[in-house]
Amino acid sequence: DAGVIQSPRHEVTEMGQEVTLRCKPISGHNSLFWYRQTMMRGLELLIYFNNNVPIDDSGMPEDRFSAKMPNASFSTLKIQPSEPRDSAVYFCASSPTGQGGATNEKLFFGSGTQLSVL
Amino acid sequence: QKEVEQNSGPLSVPEGAIASLNCTYSDRGSQSFFWYRQYSGKSPELIMFIYSNGDKEDGRFTAQLNKASQYVSLLIRDSQPSDSATYLCAVRSGGSNYKLTFGKGSLLTVNP
Repeated sequence: DAGVIQSPRHEVTEMGQEVTLRCKPISGHNSLFWYRQTMMRGLELLIYFNNNVPIDDSGMPEDRFSAKMPNASFSTLKIQPSEPRDSAVYFCASSPTGQGGATNEKLFFGSGTQLSVL
Repeated sequence: QKEVEQNSGPLSVPEGAIASLNCTYSDRGSQSFFWYRQYSGKSPELIMFIYSNGDKEDGRFTAQLNKASQYVSLLIRDSQPSDSATYLCAVRSGGSNYKLTFGKGSLLTVNP
């Protein structure tokens, strides 16, 4: 398996522009997570999908952020309009669901998207 | 606010030494504990998880958990330069079956 695939690897944009990050989870994994990593705040969960349904979006910083998962093999995270403080590495991770509905203990992370908003 | 604190590091050890990384957590109801390794510019990867008090060994790695003290540690024996990375402690609270709270990480450098 190719693992979790994210695109683009790097994105440089200007403040106010729309940014769309893409993720293809590992086939058969029904849990998908979007994380953001910065030096100041570390790795933070933005949103969690299970079976394509958003379960927890409490980590989404504000209305400028939105995420979708139209099918089991694709998810997007959109920022509109982008701001310099959104600059970070955005990771997508997937995991199979284990017994009792709990996600499997191992999260498989994609390579991340390094976002720079100027 | 559920917090995970990693106060050890940056840590520098010579090759062959034991590296000890520490983590404390605030949520007493936490059930599952994880150590992820992240090389510079790469994504995190799981290296250990532990649920019960005591030690869990996997090769050169040992995770130690003390729920009474809300403390989890990672020991790396016979440290190798390839172990140089940031180690992230992650905790899953008892109220969630999916949400991990990560510490900010501890940078380990193993000098040849």
